[in-house]
Amino acid sequence: DIQMTQSPSSVSASVGDRVTITCRASQGIDNWLAWYQQKSGKAPKLLIYSASTLQTGVPSRFSGSGSGTTFTLTISSLQPEDFATYYCQQASSFPYTFGQGTKLEIK
Amino acid sequence: QLQLQESGPGLVKPSETLSLTCTVSDGSITNSRYSWGWLRQSPGKGLEWIGSVFQSGTTHYHPSLQSRVTISLDTTENRFSLQLNSVTAADTAIFFCGRTDIAADAFDVWGPGTMVTVSS
Repeated sequence: DIQMTQSPSSVSASVGDRVTITCRASQGIDNWLAWYQQKSGKAPKLLIYSASTLQTGVPSRFSGSGSGTTFTLTISSLQPEDFATYYCQQASSFPYTFGQGTKLEIK
Repeated sequence: QLQLQESGPGLVKPSETLSLTCTVSDGSITNSRYSWGWLRQSPGKGLEWIGSVFQSGTTHYHPSLQSRVTISLDTTENRFSLQLNSVTAADTAIFFCGRTDIAADAFDVWGPGTMVTVSS
């Protein structure tokens, strides 16, 4: 299985801050990487797929980059509704695997 | 806008079979652009993919669950299902169904999730 490791596990930030979350794959996955946002008690929501393609309806302050083994999710200017847990997921090969999550908290 | 809704028992006894259904509305399960999958999230934990089924009937399962899991499509009812045999307390989780856009290989639509507790 491909292991996905996110860092940091949690981060505190303020509204308006720029935040970057990193996801590393245990082997190369080209650009088969998706990012999800999950709020408490809700299903995850797809933000980005193919490492850098913004899902329809997702605000442009979210962006993704990377290829191979290292990927980043950046939120350019945090809004109150962005405080949530973020997960990366590789789709290069079965079994699909997720990172452990990054909890974004209000400072 | 396509919607998914999980349904099934919220409580299952140890050693029994967990059976869940995901009903698809405002869209067809036979669209070959998509596959259909199940995922779970143990209380306070991260996400785990269980398996997926394609319109052709091809299935892929997580190796750790492969011996106990079956996912199938019901095209007449426009739904798909999950069966997980021989459950233990470790299978207690929120179960989500999801649609994968094959071109993007990402879960672009999710059901709201259903909590299943394994307990006697």
